[in-house]
Amino acid sequence: QVTLKESGPALVKPTQTLTLTCTFSGVSLNTSGMRVSWIRQPPGKALEWLALIDWDDDKFYNTSLKTRLTISKDTSKNQVVLTMTNMDPVDTATYYCARMNYYDSSGYVWGQGTLVTVSS
Amino acid sequence: SYELTQPPSVSVSPGQTARITCSADVLPKQYAYWYQQKPGQAPVLVIYKDNERPSGIPERYSGSSSGTTVTLTISGVQAEDEADYYCQSVDSSGTYVVFGGGTKLTVL
Repeated sequence: QVTLKESGPALVKPTQTLTLTCTFSGVSLNTSGMRVSWIRQPPGKALEWLALIDWDDDKFYNTSLKTRLTISKDTSKNQVVLTMTNMDPVDTATYYCARMNYYDSSGYVWGQGTLVTVSS
Repeated sequence: SYELTQPPSVSVSPGQTARITCSADVLPKQYAYWYQQKPGQAPVLVIYKDNERPSGIPERYSGSSSGTTVTLTISGVQAEDEADYYCQSVDSSGTYVVFGGGTKLTVL
């Protein structure tokens, strides 16, 4: 069974950098076709895609947030990491990682999410 | 970038059919996906590639596509179907992910 679990700080201060980790079990990040996205959802609001990384290390970012985001993976730990700089209270949200198979377009399977609050 | 347009809310009585639409110019060229999200829970995939149903999703969930609009249909709605539903697709390059604004399904 493939599982994803997000981890990171529950509270960050404005202007700080957020680092979130998505840990996979049951599948290798090197698996051909593995695509992993980060998605967030402010309280009571809609989903917003942030970034994705592919099995071959291609990376793509939400154009409106691109300057603040970095996505990477550590295959030895089977983890995907997202950093977001210059955090603001409007970035308060539940952050999800999700995986899909690029080759069969089977849709995203999500982790449980982690709530991040930005406050001084 | 572009947007996927969904109605903010849909209401139906138990046993009726609910239809939730999602519109965008890119939809004739790219697949659409539908996710169900209940309060306090992560989204769950209910339809992929416009009209395919993942294993474990009840048969009352179906998807269809016509031109620039895709539709999620829930037949014989049950109280447990009350949730937010999001459509998702990608841009014309096939890479950048986009979500609709979500539709709150209320079972009266």
